[in-house]
Amino acid sequence: NAGVTQTPKFRILKIGQSMTLQCTQDMNHNYMYWYRQDPGMGLKLIYYSVGAGITDKGEVPNGYNVSRSTTEDFPLRLELAAPSQTSVYFCASSYPGVTNEKLFFGSGTQLSVL
Amino acid sequence: AQRVTQPEKLLSVFKGAPVELKCNYSYSGSPELFWYVQYSRQRLQLLLRHISRESIKGFTADLNKGETSFHLKKPFAQEEDSAMYYCALRRDDKIIFGKGTRLHILP
Repeated sequence: NAGVTQTPKFRILKIGQSMTLQCTQDMNHNYMYWYRQDPGMGLKLIYYSVGAGITDKGEVPNGYNVSRSTTEDFPLRLELAAPSQTSVYFCASSYPGVTNEKLFFGSGTQLSVL
Repeated sequence: AQRVTQPEKLLSVFKGAPVELKCNYSYSGSPELFWYVQYSRQRLQLLLRHISRESIKGFTADLNKGETSFHLKKPFAQEEDSAMYYCALRRDDKIIFGKGTRLHILP
């Protein structure tokens, strides 16, 4: 019963490096989201997707890219890491439009950019 | 633009006392609101949604469109309620969160 799986759990990057945060879900959910969580700032939506092949910007998309080639996977790409991207990243999925709709969250990726 | 405001970063309440976590929203349409909770070392999870009008773990939240509020309430706090609480608003395909309130239950 995997749900939403994020990898890696922790990562340290140097300024200017690139990396991909992986997110996969096995619930056949259409909707997937990427959030970042910063102390005192809550959760900010980076990108979201309503289905394979469709992505859209959230509140704080600058410095990130996403793709959604399959229903299961929604990777988040950092091309040129900056200290401002130090954060905890959460992926989530949902199947909206049902009476018991809710977001299922991954366990998070703690990223430090030094 | 739609916005979710949680005015308190930290709320400390004695065990057995009533709890009220405030949430105000700005949204021109018909809002869909949620409370999510993050317990220590656990994943974020849904606590309740306004559309269900449910009570979960003794918590309730009523949507007040006149005051644009969706405050979370519990009559008697328990130590296991200590957690981070987020109010969230769905607008079309996006779900926007507030900054969160850390609830600390004092023994």
